[in-house]
Amino acid sequence: AQSVTQLDSHVSVSEGTPVLLRCNYSSSYSPSLFWYVQHPNKGLQLLLKYTSAATLVKGINGFEAEFKKSETSFHLTKPSAHMSDAAEYFCVVSERMDSSYKLIFGSGTRLLVRP
Amino acid sequence: ETGVTQTPRHLVMGMTNKKSLKCEQHLGHNAMYWYKQSAKKPLELMFVYSLEERVENNSVPSRFSPECPNSSHLFLHLHTLQPEDSALYLCASSQEGGSQPQHFGDGTRLSIL
Repeated sequence: AQSVTQLDSHVSVSEGTPVLLRCNYSSSYSPSLFWYVQHPNKGLQLLLKYTSAATLVKGINGFEAEFKKSETSFHLTKPSAHMSDAAEYFCVVSERMDSSYKLIFGSGTRLLVRP
Repeated sequence: ETGVTQTPRHLVMGMTNKKSLKCEQHLGHNAMYWYKQSAKKPLELMFVYSLEERVENNSVPSRFSPECPNSSHLFLHLHTLQPEDSALYLCASSQEGGSQPQHFGDGTRLSIL
């Protein structure tokens, strides 16, 4: 079975400084990996996805993530945090089940952005 | 605009009531999902429908009953719920395939009295 581990439950940064949200995965084959963001009282919004093409994936709102197979990591970064980035972020891996697929979610990282 | 619409956004019900949650997607997807999101817990997959057939039920209690009448609509029928069922219930849709992302609605916040 596949799994994802988000290494930090909370991350706090100052506005304008870089963001790093860490994610490690376990998978028996080349995985599909995603990052989602959830703002308060909202559903989850897709930030970016990795599907075995380029290892550096660019997403929306200036976020990007790098797939590192040797480290089984898929960390999310942004060069400069904005107040509107404060939200909860989920690292997700896709797992095959019978005739379909399901998403396995990490436990989430809450990002706080200080003025 | 999310493309996946859930109603109602908020629901308060007693343990003996019967209610239904509704989800509608306008994205032309062929798979739909129900998730439960509780405080301090990872997102839990409850039900998956692919091409309108249920393909997974993650041992969800029978007091939750899903219905998928067509590829655009998904319901979650609720009856005799327990206080621990209070949570955010999220609906999602996607095209079938491991690399296809899911698109989520804004959820229904359910409170059981």
